[in-house]
Formats: sequence, C-alpha cells, structure tokens
Amino acid sequence: DAGVIQSPRHEVTEMGQEVTLRCKPISGHDYLFWYRQTMMRGLELLIYFNNNVPIDDSGMPEDRFSAKMPNASFSTLKIQPSEPRDSAVYFCASSLTGAGANVLTFGAGSRLTVL
Amino acid sequence: AQSVTQPDIHITVSEGASLELRCNYSYGATPYLFWYVQSPGQGLQLLLKYFSGDTLVQGIKGFEAEFKRSQSSFNLRKPSVHWSDAAEYFCAVGAAGNNRKLIWGLGTSLAVNP
Repeated sequence: DAGVIQSPRHEVTEMGQEVTLRCKPISGHDYLFWYRQTMMRGLELLIYFNNNVPIDDSGMPEDRFSAKMPNASFSTLKIQPSEPRDSAVYFCASSLTGAGANVLTFGAGSRLTVL
Repeated sequence: AQSVTQPDIHITVSEGASLELRCNYSYGATPYLFWYVQSPGQGLQLLLKYFSGDTLVQGIKGFEAEFKRSQSSFNLRKPSVHWSDAAEYFCAVGAAGNNRKLIWGLGTSLAVNP
C-alpha cells in the first residue's frame, strides 16, 4: 500500500482565498482523521470520520473550516475564506477499527501558508 | 483535565549514548499509550504502543518504553542512539472504546552529535 496520500504538499495562498486539502486513506481503513500542527499549539485534532460519517468535529476552529468524506477513499478539508492564522501543517491519518483503531498512519502533510 | 506532558522541549545527545525521553500523563480512564516519531518534513510514524499486559514494550528502531502506572509515566528509551534518530518525538494517550481522540504532548526535539 502507498500509505496515506495527501495533496498538495505545499500551498501558498493569499488571505481570503479558498483552500482545499485532499487525502486518500489506506485502503480498508475505516477511520480518517484531520490534524493541524503548529509550533504554538502542537497537534490538534480537527475532525474524524468513521465509515465516511463525521463523528467528532469539535476541533474544527470555526465555520470557515469544513471537511467531507464522500467515499471510503477520499476526504477533503476546506478553508473558506483563509486567514494568515490558518498557516500550519495539516495532516491526514487513517486507522482500522478494533484494538488498533488508535494506531494512526499519517500522511506526509500539507504545509499551508496564507499571506 | 486530560493532558500529556513532555518536560523536555529539546535534548541533545552524542551518537552511541543512551537516551530517555520523558512522558507524563493525566487521564481519567485506563490509558492506551503511544510514542510517535516525526522526521523533518514527514508525517508521524508509530514507534510503539502500550495497551495492556507487560509494562515494558518494544518498538521499532530499537526503542522501548515502560509504563509506570504509579508515576503516570511512559518514558521512551534507547540504549545507543544513532545519528538517524534525530527527529521530533511525540507521546500520546488514548482510551479503549469508541473514543478515538488522542491527547498529544507537545513533542521533544532530539539532536544527535556525531
């Protein structure tokens, strides 16, 4: 398996623009997580899905952030409009149900810079 | 409140020296405990995990960790560090059941001198 695939790896945009980050989880994994990493706040869980259904979105910072998982092999995290404080590395991770459900496999991340 | 503390923000060791990275947690339920490693520009990779049983767990790359319930600690150790071990190390705690939210420490950055 190619692992968790994220795109783009780097995104530079201007304040007010829409940003869409994409994730392809490991085939067969039924949990998908979106994390944000910053120096100040460390790793923050934004939202996670189980079987394509959002389970907990309490970490989504505000209405500008939205996430979807239309099928088992694809998820998006959208920021509209983007702001400079959204600059961070965004990670997608997936896992398999059962005892290993907390064992996350991470993608390489999408580094977002909002000017 | 649930929390994970990694007291050391940055550690420097010489290649071949032993290593111990500290992790303390505060968690209401029986914890699942994890150590992940992040190399520059990469995602996080699982080093090892503790769910139950033997409190000394072995992981990849020669790492081990010991769960001490009385001290609420899960320290990571390696007897001889290699230059390739330079990275960021994260401790995390979670729970059994349906809650998939891990609580993460802020990480310890490890530098290795040749």
